[in-house]
Amino acid sequence: EAGVTQFPSHSVIEKGQTVTLRCDPISGHDNLYWYRRVMGKEIKFLLHFVKESKQDESGMPNNRFLAERTGGTYSTLKVQPAELEDSGVYFCASSPTHRLAGNTEAFFGQGTRLTVV
Amino acid sequence: SQQGEEDPQALSIQEGENATMNCSYKTSINNLQWYRQNSGRGLVHLILIRSNEREKHSGRLRVTLDTSKKSSSLLITASRAADTASYFCATGVYNQGGKLIFGQGTELSVKP
Repeated sequence: EAGVTQFPSHSVIEKGQTVTLRCDPISGHDNLYWYRRVMGKEIKFLLHFVKESKQDESGMPNNRFLAERTGGTYSTLKVQPAELEDSGVYFCASSPTHRLAGNTEAFFGQGTRLTVV
Repeated sequence: SQQGEEDPQALSIQEGENATMNCSYKTSINNLQWYRQNSGRGLVHLILIRSNEREKHSGRLRVTLDTSKKSSSLLITASRAADTASYFCATGVYNQGGKLIFGQGTELSVKP
């Protein structure tokens, strides 16, 4: 069974440009989460989808970040325009049905390392 | 401030020794999970302990949870060089839909 996959693995862009990160969760997982780790700091929650709906987007830093999950399958996270402080590693995770979301492990992807120069 | 705080921030030991990492948190939790991140790779789930459990084992890993002190520890016995990684605790907060709150992590270095 394929795990959570993220594209690209690395991205280097200039300040002011746009970048779109993609996450393909494990097939059948309703829950999809985005997290970010900035420069050796803690891993911070960004948002949570249940199927195609945003369940919790309390961690999104500002309106330059837009997340979508079309059809409840893969998700994209767009940063527009990118700023220097957006550099970090963006992780995606998925877990099974919403009913179990509170007490099952989340499966993480390899992450996308974003560098804004 | 961040829910999970870990100590030590960095730990260096010799192969064969035991490594202990601690985690403290602030709010009520459903569970506490430990993850490992090898350099440049994704997060790998190690173990989940529920709020009504006190101790759990998985291979060379032993996790304890003390909800009265809001703390947990991860013990890796007979460490190997391959255990070198960053270790994170993450709390599944009650009624937060599976959202995890991570600590800053412990950088473990196991020298051969």
